[in-house]
Amino acid sequence: KNQVEQSPQSLIILEGKNCTLQCNYTVSPFSNLRWYKQDTGRGPVSLTIMTFSENTKSNGRYTATLDADTKQSSLHITASQLSDSASYICVVVYGNKLVFGAGTILRVKS
Amino acid sequence: NAGVTQTPKFQVLKTGQSMTLQCAQDMNHEYMSWYRQDPGMGLRLIHYSVGAGITDQGEVPNGYNVSRSTTEDFPLRLLSAAPSQTSVYFCASSYSGQGALGNTIYFGEGSWLTVV
Repeated sequence: KNQVEQSPQSLIILEGKNCTLQCNYTVSPFSNLRWYKQDTGRGPVSLTIMTFSENTKSNGRYTATLDADTKQSSLHITASQLSDSASYICVVVYGNKLVFGAGTILRVKS
Repeated sequence: NAGVTQTPKFQVLKTGQSMTLQCAQDMNHEYMSWYRQDPGMGLRLIHYSVGAGITDQGEVPNGYNVSRSTTEDFPLRLLSAAPSQTSVYFCASSYSGQGALGNTIYFGEGSWLTVV
């Protein structure tokens, strides 16, 4: 069964600290992997898109990594800000189908 | 540029009532879709459309109808609301098939639906 598992479910960090969110998937074959940010009460917004041949992709303070052999991806947030408080969703694409993870809820405290 | 606009933002329905969630996009996108988001679960695809006049079922289509008479609009109809349809609904659009590399998917702000 095609699944996307994210960990941790939730995370609290202090402003300025770094953090890493994990995504494990069983989707196969897959064409690309995406990370989205979803602010409370809003729709998801795309952060990064990576193909199976890419190991890393950055978007400002967000850096996504991908290991297609172990079927793992991570999203690293550097120097966190209060505005980073949101849910981060990992999405794996195969063909024209998207499999969404349940998300990791990040709270950044001052 | 408004992007993807959904209405209403919040709605409470009684079991058995019907209603329509509206979705409009102004980006001339061919591909539009509806998802539902439930606590502890990833977004699930309800219905999608690859262009005006063409619709198809997604993962969880039961209890919902869609139509696509124009490129811009993609309404979602709940035929006879049930408490299991309490959820947050998101409309999305993209230039072409949503899985295509380099094809950004734009989501609406969401519609919170409660069925009592």
